[in-house]
Amino acid sequence: SQQGEEDPQALSIQEGENATMNCSYKTSINNLQWYRQNSGRGLVHLILIRSNEREKHSGRLRVTLDTSKKSSSLLITASRAADTASYFCATDVGSTLTFGKGTMLLVSP
Amino acid sequence: EAGVVQSPRYKIIEKKQPVAFWCNPISGHNTLYWYRQNLGQGPELLIRYENEEAVDDSQLPKDRFSAERLKGVDSTLKIQPAELGDSAVYLCASSFRQASEAFFGQGTRLTVV
Repeated sequence: SQQGEEDPQALSIQEGENATMNCSYKTSINNLQWYRQNSGRGLVHLILIRSNEREKHSGRLRVTLDTSKKSSSLLITASRAADTASYFCATDVGSTLTFGKGTMLLVSP
Repeated sequence: EAGVVQSPRYKIIEKKQPVAFWCNPISGHNTLYWYRQNLGQGPELLIRYENEEAVDDSQLPKDRFSAERLKGVDSTLKIQPAELGDSAVYLCASSFRQASEAFFGQGTRLTVV
């Protein structure tokens, strides 16, 4: 079963624009993580935000967490063609990581 | 530092045949996951190990799937017999401790014909 659900399913933008992806989940979590997957490759961890945190930054990434709404967002600023990938949120419930279906991001030059 | 190593990368088998996947996690990582990922979907957990103990195998189809993690290091995932619907990418991941960043291998792409 999949606890998290990303929105939108697909996103197409131009280089230099910002990309925002959202994740909603159903049950209380310990933390929420975002991962990137390039076509045909394994997943790469991007950022982890704990349940008692509201916002976190890492380079061009900004993640927010609203536990009252059971939602998170991932913002990629000044996107590049190399950011083209699928992005997944993963919720930590009882120490098991459960992934959503992902958002496919296409960044055109 | 070597990452999570999986083998084989690709496997094509006929239905009803057995198949096994191998995973070598990052040294020192106590938590090991096996996930299955279908095309266009997110990874779905099959089993989670803490050291050599399977602590979450609720999503593992136990009639045909089995897994083991000997000595709390390497792990194997087996399917016997394979069905057409088992075609997917099987991903192994490890983390230093529970609830922390997970490192993924490149996966094994299984095709059952």
